[in-house]
Order: sequence, then structure tokens, then C-alpha cells
Amino acid sequence: AQSVSQHNHHVILSEAASLELGCNYSYGGTVNLFWYVQYPGQHLQLLLKYFSGDPLVKGIKGFEAEFIKSKFSFNLRKPSVQWSDTAEYFCAVNADSSASKIIFGSGTRLSIRP
Amino acid sequence: NAGVTQTPKFQVLKTGQSMTLQCAQDMNHEYMSWYRQDPGMGLRLIHYSVGAGITDQGEVPNGYNVSRSTTEDFPLRLLSAAPSQTSVYFCASRPTSGGLHKNIQYFGAGTRLSVL
Repeated sequence: AQSVSQHNHHVILSEAASLELGCNYSYGGTVNLFWYVQYPGQHLQLLLKYFSGDPLVKGIKGFEAEFIKSKFSFNLRKPSVQWSDTAEYFCAVNADSSASKIIFGSGTRLSIRP
Repeated sequence: NAGVTQTPKFQVLKTGQSMTLQCAQDMNHEYMSWYRQDPGMGLRLIHYSVGAGITDQGEVPNGYNVSRSTTEDFPLRLLSAAPSQTSVYFCASRPTSGGLHKNIQYFGAGTRLSVL
């Protein structure tokens, strides 16, 4: 069964700082990887996804993530954060199968100081 | 296009009461699922369904029942609510075929449940 680990529970940054949130998964086969964002009081929205191809994927609002297969990692990055990036970020994985369930990490709360 | 619709948005129950959280999607997605979100624990999968008539257990199924009689609806039932079920519940759906949108999960707005 697949699982996802997000080791940073709460990250506090100043505006314009660079961001990297860690995500590691465990699964031996081909996977699909996702980052979702949940802004305060809202439901989850897809930030970006990796299915295949270029391991560096770009998402909305300047976010990107890099899939490193050898490290089972899919870290989220942004070169310069804004106050509006304050949110909770979830990494998720599912096996590359139409019927497979999507498993989420425990989330990382990001707080941006204006 | 309404997407994934959950009702109610808020609910307060007493221990031992039963209730059903409703979830409906109008995107003809085969796959639907229920998660609960608790502080520090992320989203944990309760039950999921890969199509009408088919359901399966997720990570934390105890205390919850589901059924999938139609493609559109996937209700979650609490037969005897317990304080440990106080949480925010999210329903989600996704297609399992068809190009770029395959496997992208769409979420409802959530139901905040308190069990006293």
C-alpha cells in the first residue's frame, strides 16, 4: 500500500523568501503525484500534478515540484512567497491505476509574515 | 457546473445519534471518496467507490457506512455518532479515464461535524 510523508508540519517564512516543502512517498510501482492547497476556510484545490514525462512540473501561482524517482520524493518549491500563499499544503499519491485510491500526507501549514 | 456538492455544511449531533452526510457530483465521475480532516493528521480516507454498486474501505472506515446506488450520489452514514467522529468531512470525485483530467480529484466544500 502507498503512503505519504510530509515532515514539515508548520513552516513560517517572510515575504519574498524561497519555499521548499518536502514530500516523500512509499510505493514500488508507477505513481501519480499531486500537491493540493487549502486556503483558510476553503476546500482543497489542485496546485499541480505529475503523471509522467518531465519530472519538473509547474503549477498555478508560480509553484513547481520536482519528482525524483530515486529518492521517492516530490518536493514543492516557490522562489518567492507572498502573504497570499498562507495556506495548508497537502502532498498526495496514487498508484497509476484507474481504481486506485488517493492517499494524502498529513499536510504542511505555511504561514507568511507580511 | 456545480461540481461536488456536500450537505449539510455544518452539523451538531449528540453521542449515539445517526445521520447521513450527502455528496453529489454532476461530472459523471466513476470514482468517489470520503475523507476526514483532523488537525495534524491531514486527510484520511474513510471509504471509496470506483463505480455504482461498488464500495471499499479506506484507512479509517470504522463507524461509517457508505453505498453507491447511482453514479452521482455517495452518501456517508454515521449509525451511532461518537465524539471521536468530530471532524471536517470532505467528499471527492475523479474520472478514471480520459486524458489530462484522469485521476485529478475534485473536492466538495466540506461538512463540519461536531459530536457532543
